[in-house]
Order: sequence, then C-alpha cells, then structure tokens
Amino acid sequence: QVQLVESGGGVVQPGRSLRLSCAASGFTFNTYGMHWVRQAPGQGLEWVALIWYDGTNKYYADSVRGRFTISRDNSKNLLYLQMNSLRAEDTALYFCAKDRAYEADDTFDVWGQGTMVTVSA
Amino acid sequence: DIQMTQSPSTLSASVGDRVTITCRASQSISSYLAWFRQKPGKAPELLIYKASILESGVPSRFSGSESGTEFTLTISSLQPEDFATYYCQHYDSYSKTFGQGTRVEVK
Repeated sequence: QVQLVESGGGVVQPGRSLRLSCAASGFTFNTYGMHWVRQAPGQGLEWVALIWYDGTNKYYADSVRGRFTISRDNSKNLLYLQMNSLRAEDTALYFCAKDRAYEADDTFDVWGQGTMVTVSA
Repeated sequence: DIQMTQSPSTLSASVGDRVTITCRASQSISSYLAWFRQKPGKAPELLIYKASILESGVPSRFSGSESGTEFTLTISSLQPEDFATYYCQHYDSYSKTFGQGTRVEVK
C-alpha cells in the first residue's frame, strides 16, 4: 500500500541542525512532487517546502527560507528536510506529503504520520 | 500573499446533523481549493480537491462548492468519525496555504 514514514525528529538546542527523512513506498516515487508540512502543538497546519519530482525546483515558506533545505534521492525513494539554525518556533510535528502532480502544483493525497521536532535549551 | 479565512473556528453538532464549514480566499483562486479532515492524533486526510471533486474512497456525505472566493464544505449527515478538525487549503505552483481550521465537536 502507499506509505510515507518519517524519521529523524528529536530534541535539539536552538541554533543547531537536524535532518528529517521520509521513506516512500507503494507508488512510483520519482513521478510525484513532495512536500513537508508542520504542525506546532495544538495549532494548525503550515506548509514548509515543496520539491518537484526530479528535484529541479524547490520552494519554501517565508518562515524557513534560507534555513531549511528540501531534497530527495529518487534511487532510494527518500525525501529529506535539512533544518539549520533551528528556533523555538520550529517546534512542531513534521509531516511529509505526496502531491497529486509531478510538479507539485496540486494538493496532497498521501501523508505520513509525522516526526516530532522539539527545539529547546 | 493569498489568505484563507475559515469559519466558524468551532462548531458544535450531533450525529446526523447537516454541517457546513466556510472558507474565504482573499482573492480569486480559480477553484484551487482542497479540504482535509484531521482526526485527533492522526495525519490529515484529503476529502475534496478542485473545490468540489470528491477524493477516491471518501464517503458521499462530504461535498464541496464554491461561489466566487467563498468555498463551502458540507457534511450531509454527521457520523461519529467526523468529529475532527477540518482545514481548507489553497494550492498553486509555489505555495500551499491552509485555513486556520474548524473543530467540529460533540454538542
């Protein structure tokens, strides 16, 4: 079945870095755009970043641009989020999500269960 | 930037009720509007895309409509599993913007 499984979350100090991974299975990974979405505790959903099916185009929310980098390895069916210069306001549950289209210009039809990132001294 | 404003923020209802949630865009978004349901402790699930197209496998009690920049999600007969939080989302090539959410609670 179609599945996304995130990993790499944890507790990290402000200013440090963390890399999240998302393992995809059950669909042809290299033909779909992918996203990261986050949800702070008790809050709503915030889109973070998108990447095209082939990794050639990437876009970011203003809140993370310049600090976070989205990437993918199509040979391994993996999506990544490199998070640098972390702040307390980055504390959230991070979901990866599959786009309905290859250029990530549609909405999300598959979600992972999320991995929690806590930024605290 | 396009803003998405959902109302109400909380809605109290009973099983069997007809429920309506509204999402208003700050400018024209050409039907690029999706609805998600998020049950407590779970990932969101896609219900409707392109304002009114039901995602495969989603029960027919869910429907979506649009009128200009105002979009509506209707649940024709609320079921126990529908007590959850609902989000609208505008999507385009460069960003995806969620509404702030509507929590449907037991009356």
